[in-house]
Amino acid sequence: ETGVTQTPRHLVMGMTNKKSLKCEQHLGHNAMYWYKQSAKKPLELMFVYSLEERVENNSVPSRFSPECPNSSHLFLHLHTLQPEDSALYLCASSQDTTSYEQYFGPGTRLTVT
Amino acid sequence: EDQVTQSPEALRLQEGESSSLNCSYTVSGLRGLFWYRQDPGKGPEFLFTLYSAGEEKEKERLKATLTKKESFLHITAPKPEDSATYLCAAHNYGQNFVFGPGTRLSVLP
Repeated sequence: ETGVTQTPRHLVMGMTNKKSLKCEQHLGHNAMYWYKQSAKKPLELMFVYSLEERVENNSVPSRFSPECPNSSHLFLHLHTLQPEDSALYLCASSQDTTSYEQYFGPGTRLTVT
Repeated sequence: EDQVTQSPEALRLQEGESSSLNCSYTVSGLRGLFWYRQDPGKGPEFLFTLYSAGEEKEKERLKATLTKKESFLHITAPKPEDSATYLCAAHNYGQNFVFGPGTRLSVLP
């Protein structure tokens, strides 16, 4: 595998479920990001990790919980979501947090019922 | 509040018909302005970063320019494969990335 991969590509979950999104980068980068892309809205940065440490949390509700066990893997744990959380969740990586050249994964299309 | 807007929302061009996309930004201390391309069902793909007014960058049929309030993405003689959504984003000194809503470009053969 090359680049940034995300699994699953599609996910349907009920409001009481707990699920996790996974992201893996094969680029040797030190920074990883979670973004939310909703229909008709701009891309929203959710979390930033640098060398496995969270450096930014853009006022994201606690029902979204990120985890970065190492510099290649990033998870987004989901619980008690709302229908308005339905969106495309994108993971990205870059050499470090000062690099603007971010490489994005294909995203996970999440539907909350 | 930091803000990035893009116009037009959608643009249809004939193959070979050059045009420009606009990105207007209001950020407290711009560190960088960047452009991405996003195809349906895929994540954004990095195109350019611009750091200061007057800077220009080119890649194939695309040229990005930056002023103190705007950035333009000029597309010269576009081809159908240039059809995509083009995203503009700004990075400020507060370490925040602010994206615009994008311009959806369709190039007809």
